[in-house]
Amino acid sequence: DAKTTQPPSMDCAEGRAANLPCNHSTISGNEYVYWYRQIHSQGPQYIIHGLKNNETNEMASLIITEDRKSSTLILPHATLRDTAVYYCIVRVATGNQFYFGTGTSLTVIP
Amino acid sequence: GAVVSQHPSWVICKSGTSVKIECRSLDFQATTMFWYRQFPKQSLMLMATSNEGSKATYEQGVEKDKFLINHASLTLSTLTVTSAHPEDSSFYICSARFGRTVHYGYTFGSGTRLTVV
Repeated sequence: DAKTTQPPSMDCAEGRAANLPCNHSTISGNEYVYWYRQIHSQGPQYIIHGLKNNETNEMASLIITEDRKSSTLILPHATLRDTAVYYCIVRVATGNQFYFGTGTSLTVIP
Repeated sequence: GAVVSQHPSWVICKSGTSVKIECRSLDFQATTMFWYRQFPKQSLMLMATSNEGSKATYEQGVEKDKFLINHASLTLSTLTVTSAHPEDSSFYICSARFGRTVHYGYTFGSGTRLTVV
């Protein structure tokens, strides 16, 4: 079962940073935070993951609070192509299945 | 690398017929694959876990006799929707786990849009 809470929708102006929050207050010490996104009628795409340290890659940055009960995905310069549903998922590293929550529908506005 | 090909991308079938959806790992061996179903404006719902050479594990509430899963090789898993009805119309997505890495090792297919008329 999904163990995360995300706002259902957000808007962001093109070129600005998009900050997508996720609450995971019941996260266990061995659970990682993963972010995927799904562009309309496509399969989900991996974005980033982390355990407790902040992470950055070519797509985004992941900020995890010190108590690990919440995190924020940051798209530094949102483009129209970033319009998608973003899913935050917690899972143990050795776990098998991914269970998706409701996600956040991000709309990037020109 | 780590590409999953799903076929067909869309299919329309008559009520009562069966439909087979294929999920292939193109450049890696996938001992474990997953099947999801997604209704319009809803999230992905895990249906079953497919293990090469053994029976699939179904999530609670998913009818194993209706959604037949076969994972006969390390690169192919199939989902057959038997005796399809309009309520089975949905977006079906497969995912494959690859390599020893447990973080990056999940890739998703592009999905199959099933419409039962």
